[in-house]
Amino acid sequence: EVQLVESGGGLVQPGGSLRLSCAASGFTFSSYWMSWVRQAPGKGLEWVANIKQDGSEKYYVDSVKGRFTISRDNAKNSLYLQMNSLRAEDTAVYYCARAQITSDAFDIWGQGTMVTVSS
Amino acid sequence: SYVLTQPPSVSVAPGKTARITCGGNNIGSKSVHWYQQKPGQAPVLVIYYDSDRPSGIPERFSGSNSGNTATLTISRVEAGDEADYYCQVWDSSSDRWVFGGGTKLTVL
Repeated sequence: EVQLVESGGGLVQPGGSLRLSCAASGFTFSSYWMSWVRQAPGKGLEWVANIKQDGSEKYYVDSVKGRFTISRDNAKNSLYLQMNSLRAEDTAVYYCARAQITSDAFDIWGQGTMVTVSS
Repeated sequence: SYVLTQPPSVSVAPGKTARITCGGNNIGSKSVHWYQQKPGQAPVLVIYYDSDRPSGIPERFSGSNSGNTATLTISRVEAGDEADYYCQVWDSSSDRWVFGGGTKLTVL
């Protein structure tokens, strides 16, 4: 079964750090662009970052540039999001998503992991 | 930066046709993807490349894209179609994915 499973969410104080992980299974992870997408409580979807198959290209939404780092380990079929200098506005459910090879649409999503930034 | 504009809500009676729009500057020149999200669940891709359906998505879901508006059309609406719907494009000028604000579809 094709699957993405996120982990690493939790409660963190403003200014703190957190590392999210996304474990992929059921497909050749190294063949796909991957993304992180977040959703603040009661709000819409916001794309956060993506990474090319070999990690050579990475893109970020402006609001997280310099604070978040996306990475991957193809040997471990895993995607990561290192989040530093966290702010209250980073509070959200974070989803990892696979980009379809042909269209780049996000055809597989994880169930999400909640990140709460609060003192 | 590129902005996608969706109506906050659309209401439709069962069996009727729902149309959800996604406005953007010359969006017709971009490929638009659509997602369905039910409460407490992850989004699901329902339309990609403007009008293609992934396997498992009913034929009642269709899409179009021209000029400054892309449209997701749901025919013969069912109660189970009640959800939030999001459009998405890649903004090549800023190298980022953009989502519309989302539309809540209510089945009356």
